[in-house]
Amino acid sequence: AQKITQTQPGMFVQEKEAVTLDCTYDTSDPSYGLFWYKQPSSGEMIFLIYQGSYDQQNATEGRYSLNFQKARKSANLVISASQLGDSAMYFCAMREGGGNTPLVFGKGTRLSVIA
Amino acid sequence: DAGVTQSPTHLIKTRGQQVTLRCSPKSGHDTVSWYQQALGQGPQFIFQYYEEEERQRGNFPDRFSGHQFPNYSSELNVNALLLGDSALYLCASSLWQQETQYFGPGTRLLVL
Repeated sequence: AQKITQTQPGMFVQEKEAVTLDCTYDTSDPSYGLFWYKQPSSGEMIFLIYQGSYDQQNATEGRYSLNFQKARKSANLVISASQLGDSAMYFCAMREGGGNTPLVFGKGTRLSVIA
Repeated sequence: DAGVTQSPTHLIKTRGQQVTLRCSPKSGHDTVSWYQQALGQGPQFIFQYYEEEERQRGNFPDRFSGHQFPNYSSELNVNALLLGDSALYLCASSLWQQETQYFGPGTRLLVL
């Protein structure tokens, strides 16, 4: 079974609007971390935001926020006030257990921001 | 503060050849992980190095091997290249036991 599922292969959003990218995960480990990365066409994976399984509040980093719903096993990324430079692939990833365990990635969502 | 660097940026090889990819971690980081990203897919974990030892390994054959040097930099070696090894190879660095991994720009390998 897939550990990370991103059901939206592609999304379009108007500039200055907000957009939500979906991510669901599957784990039986009570300790885990959830990550979102942005990958522009250049290829580099850019870290955006992190949420730990024991964190009580949803993580926020500037225009990025993570809508963490533990019971539903979802970790959606919300980008507010979209900019043209936000156009890229977005990957949700999970780490199970300790901090040195490898990341497991979803297949990604391609976001296109329209002027 | 230097980020993660990788070399070369692009590489073309033929089947059966061997390749070495290099990675320098972000300043202060001691752990290096390697990932393979095939076209249209998310990255897949190859292996991780800490204190010059392979600590964890993903589902990759022994043709994939690596090394970490005392300065924490790392190499990924792939022997007997197959067409299916064509991919973007990403290096990520972190502090041992730290949550977040930071990625380099990747090396695009094409096997003909």
